[in-house]
Amino acid sequence: ETGVTQTPRHLVMGMTNKKSLKCEQHLGHNAMYWYKQSAKKPLELMFVYSLEERVENNSVPSRFSPECPNSSHLFLHLHTLQPEDSALYLCASSQGQGTNYGYTFGSGTRLTVV
Amino acid sequence: AQSVAQPEDQVNVAEGNPLTVKCTYSVSGNPYLFWYVQYPNRGLQFLLKYITGDNLVKGSYGFEAEFNKSQTSFHLKKPSALVSDSALYFCAVRPRSGNTPLVFGKGTRLSVIA
Repeated sequence: ETGVTQTPRHLVMGMTNKKSLKCEQHLGHNAMYWYKQSAKKPLELMFVYSLEERVENNSVPSRFSPECPNSSHLFLHLHTLQPEDSALYLCASSQGQGTNYGYTFGSGTRLTVV
Repeated sequence: AQSVAQPEDQVNVAEGNPLTVKCTYSVSGNPYLFWYVQYPNRGLQFLLKYITGDNLVKGSYGFEAEFNKSQTSFHLKKPSALVSDSALYFCAVRPRSGNTPLVFGKGTRLSVIA
């Protein structure tokens, strides 16, 4: 285990459903990230939280809504998704945003929208 | 804006032969450079990073990478490939200054054949 835990590991949801992805880290990191991984495409940065404040939102559709209640937890709330949103969603954390430390990733949530 | 290019979608190599996975980058100023590996159904795992100093960086599992400033490259290498090295490899970059998040390439799938 990396110290970053994502649940659930797999999720199948209909286009009218509401669901949430959860990410938890106990590494003492103060920055957390959501990435979307689709086949043969670069990892897409979706959201960045630093010290529980959202500092970046890369033009992500409003059907994705992040929440960071504290420095150890990060959520991604999903609502009325489209089939093209099916992907692996990765959470990562780091000690500081502008440092030479790398990121620690969770194992991801494989999302399928039907 | 920074970017990473991994020109090969797939690299095939015979077990025991040397392997190279290519990465070139574009960033303002001097970079921090990283390599990550992803095994099936897992998140990204840190392999190695270049911060400063010696251009040849050694990392986990016998991997190394060479920073070449003039060619803006950071190719990943291993002298003797193992079947267990088969995975998806990602190069990532960020500038030394500021709080810019890591930018990842699209990944290169390495297949080591016995």
